[in-house]
Amino acid sequence: GESVGLHLPTLSVQEGDNSIINCAYSNSASDYFIWYKQESGKGPQFIIDIRSNMDKRQGQRVTVLLNKTVKHLSLQIAATQPGDSAVYFCAENIGQTNAGKSTFGDGTTLTVKP
Amino acid sequence: DAGVIQSPRHEVTEMGQEVTLRCKPISGHDYLFWYRQTMMRGLELLIYFNNNVPIDDSGMPEDRFSAKMPNASFSTLKIQPSEPRDSAVYFCASSPGGGNRNEKLFFGSGTQLSVL
Repeated sequence: GESVGLHLPTLSVQEGDNSIINCAYSNSASDYFIWYKQESGKGPQFIIDIRSNMDKRQGQRVTVLLNKTVKHLSLQIAATQPGDSAVYFCAENIGQTNAGKSTFGDGTTLTVKP
Repeated sequence: DAGVIQSPRHEVTEMGQEVTLRCKPISGHDYLFWYRQTMMRGLELLIYFNNNVPIDDSGMPEDRFSAKMPNASFSTLKIQPSEPRDSAVYFCASSPGGGNRNEKLFFGSGTQLSVL
């Protein structure tokens, strides 16, 4: 029979193109957001974070945008490379007293075609 | 720094057996987390510790699961008795914590658990 599980969104891009990965978060009280990258057989790895008092933050080839009005987060990857192929997770944290207690989204699988 | 170290990398056991997963966090990190990853449920937080003290174990699925952190450099997650539905990848992560909301997680490579 058909297996039941998470239906991860997928994104396929050509090498060199820009990628945009989206995430809808659930809790309006969340005040800290993090993007992680998970390659096959490895644990998630930190990419970039943003606090709720910001709406944009840039890193090396990556930019995170936060829209608190619609509870939406996006990760933009410039000039996507084959090494960017992975599953990308957004995570939300609420309050300093819950430091590190991240709630993870389902993830998006990014495939980069050479 | 070697990062978060987990052992074993793979564990295959039979239903009813006890399983112990081990984790060494990054030195100086105040927080330690145990996550479970499955296709059905994604990444789930099981339990986390602050300065070796369990803070929130609401994610621990049943009494069959227990976790300890006897010192700042070691933690275990134990399943007794194990069941096939416990099959998953178990990740340990640590975080510096501190007053600057330094909450990014550093994950180990995980333990792939298969319960037959």
